[in-house]
Amino acid sequence: DAGVTQSPTHLIKTRGQQVTLRCSPKSGHDTVSWYQQALGQGPQFIFQYYEEEERQRGNFPDRFSGHQFPNYSSELNVNALLLGDSALYLCASSLVSTGGAGEQYFGPGTRLTVT
Amino acid sequence: AQKVTQAQTEISVVEKEDVTLDCVYETRDTTYYLFWYKQPPSGELVFLIRRNSFDEQNEISGRYSWNFQKSTSSFNFTITASQVVDSAVYFCALKSMKGNKLVFGAGTILRVKS
Repeated sequence: DAGVTQSPTHLIKTRGQQVTLRCSPKSGHDTVSWYQQALGQGPQFIFQYYEEEERQRGNFPDRFSGHQFPNYSSELNVNALLLGDSALYLCASSLVSTGGAGEQYFGPGTRLTVT
Repeated sequence: AQKVTQAQTEISVVEKEDVTLDCVYETRDTTYYLFWYKQPPSGELVFLIRRNSFDEQNEISGRYSWNFQKSTSSFNFTITASQVVDSAVYFCALKSMKGNKLVFGAGTILRVKS
């Protein structure tokens, strides 16, 4: 049973550039959430996708956008990168039918460094 | 607004000691879930336990146990007979039953020395 996978593992970008991070959910899951974890802090919710639509969004600017594909995989796009966007980006998947009780399974993350 | 506070930034114990990680939360919701996650150096968050707000029964699962007290908005987590492999960052998280996002605390670094 494949767990949540993310690519790439590490990424280095320059200020002002754009980046795309990818996530494949755990087998059987239909919902994908993205979190940003700055060094020494807890993860912060960016947004969640279900049925290819954004269900809920955290306090992140419009530079952060996403997409979910028919196979439930997802992408996180960040435009006009800032130094402060350097963080570990975590993807989590869950099953919407389990409602609020369903735990979110996390991937290993993508470490983004902006120079 | 929801908030989770983990006052302990870092804890160091010697192997086989018991250790308790504190968590205090704030929410206006009457129904919610509380979670503990473990983050080893590899970075992946590993789910440990979940409790819902209407079940304050405390349980033990192997070396893990938790103490949920709604009256004090606390959800503490205890590891009995700690092992070196328990060394990681532990996060407490809160989720409304109506919402979709997890709200995490800042985490507690646990170092278990042999």
